[in-house]
Amino acid sequence: NAGVMQNPRHLVRRRGQEARLRCSPMKGHSHVYWYRQLPEEGLKFMVYLQKENIIDESGMPKERFSAEFPKEGPSILRIQQVVRGDSAAYFCASSPLEDTQYFGPGTRLTVL
Amino acid sequence: GIQVEQSPPDLILQEGANSTLRCNFSDSVNNLQWFHQNPWGQLINLFYIPSGTKQNGRLSATTVATERYSLLYISSSQTTDSGVYFCAAQKKRFGAGTRLTVKP
Repeated sequence: NAGVMQNPRHLVRRRGQEARLRCSPMKGHSHVYWYRQLPEEGLKFMVYLQKENIIDESGMPKERFSAEFPKEGPSILRIQQVVRGDSAAYFCASSPLEDTQYFGPGTRLTVL
Repeated sequence: GIQVEQSPPDLILQEGANSTLRCNFSDSVNNLQWFHQNPWGQLINLFYIPSGTKQNGRLSATTVATERYSLLYISSSQTTDSGVYFCAAQKKRFGAGTRLTVKP
C-alpha cells in the first residue's frame, strides 16, 4: 500500500507565475488536508477536502489560493501569481475517517 | 480557535536518556495526534491519542482530556530520535514543536 504521494517534490517559480501542487492520498482514504510550513515553524492548516467537496477552507488565504479534490485524480493546491512570501513547504495528509493522518513528503516551493 | 502549546521548545539529551514532552490545549478535543518530523522533513505519525495511554516500543503517550494536556514519553533515546515533535489538535492546530537533539 503506497503512502501519500506528492509531486513535484521541489518547485521553483518566478513571481507572478502559477504553482500547482499535487497530492495522491493513500488507497482507501477519502479525506485530504493541506498544510503550509515556513522554515523553523510548525504546520499551518489550510484546507480540508473530501472527494468533490471542500469541507473546511478556514486556513486558506482569501486570494490567489484554491484547492480541489476531484472525483478522479489527485488533490490539487493551486497558487496563482506567486509572491516570495509563498515560499514554503506544503504538506498534504490523508486519513480514512476521524483517525490518524498520514503525511506525504511535501513539496518545497521556492519563489524567485 | 483552539490553542496548542508545547514544552519545552528545545531539548538536548545524551543517548540513552529518557524524556517527557508536553502538549497543552485550550479546549476539548476529540482528535489529538503526535508526529515526529525527522531532519529530512518527513512527518511520521506516532500516536492518535484523544484520551488514554498508548505505547509503541520506546515511545508512549498519555492524554488527560479533562485536564487538556498530553504527554509523550521517549525512553532510552537514540540519535535517530532527533528531530521535531509536534502535537496536533483536531487536525487543524499544530503546536510549535519540541526540537529534540540526541547526542551520541
